[in-house]
Amino acid sequence: GAVVSQHPSRVICKSGTSVKIECRSLDFQATTMFWYRQFPKQSLMLMATSNEGSKATYEQGVEKDKFLINHASLTLSTLTVTSAHPEDSSFYICSAPLASSTGELFFGEGSRLTVL
Amino acid sequence: GIQVEQSPPDLILQEGANSTLRCNFSDSVNNLQWFHQNPWGQLINLFYIPSGTKQNGRLSATTVATERYSLLYISSSQTTDSGVYFCAVERGTGANNLFFGTGTRLTVIP
Repeated sequence: GAVVSQHPSRVICKSGTSVKIECRSLDFQATTMFWYRQFPKQSLMLMATSNEGSKATYEQGVEKDKFLINHASLTLSTLTVTSAHPEDSSFYICSAPLASSTGELFFGEGSRLTVL
Repeated sequence: GIQVEQSPPDLILQEGANSTLRCNFSDSVNNLQWFHQNPWGQLINLFYIPSGTKQNGRLSATTVATERYSLLYISSSQTTDSGVYFCAVERGTGANNLFFGTGTRLTVIP
């Protein structure tokens, strides 16, 4: 079946540093990918839509300069958390639709970010 | 924006029991999916079900789009069913993204 993979699964960094998370579609191409954030014991919140070859679309309240998204190819989107602070600590999950005709989304394993 | 409410928020079951999880949404939707989030955070696709009824083993789901709700049935529950169950809907804009419900945390005890 369709597989979406994220890397790294866990990352710990110091406050003020930047962290890059990769999201890959392993056996299909995705012109669009989605990034979500989940705080402990809460639901998933859509952060932004990553578009291959063009700028990402951010949800209201999400800082585009804080969360840089690059969709460099049809199988790779990256999320960079810039100048990370402890409040950015969260579980970040990406997803991609298998085919535009159905729209069913498949999710990566998630990346747990801890900012000290 | 669209509201997606799930009930109950928490559920504790004895192994072997059956349960029904509900998802209500406030607007018409193109797509609806059910997920199981395991203890490691991985979201497992259960059903892609914008309407109708589907079954997969001990699980089945029904979506009544005209009445804006979906139900997930779990029969003969097992301890491995524990985790959080989410329904998620697409807003109908053709954007393919999903908005998640509040979740139901299920604990199955032996």
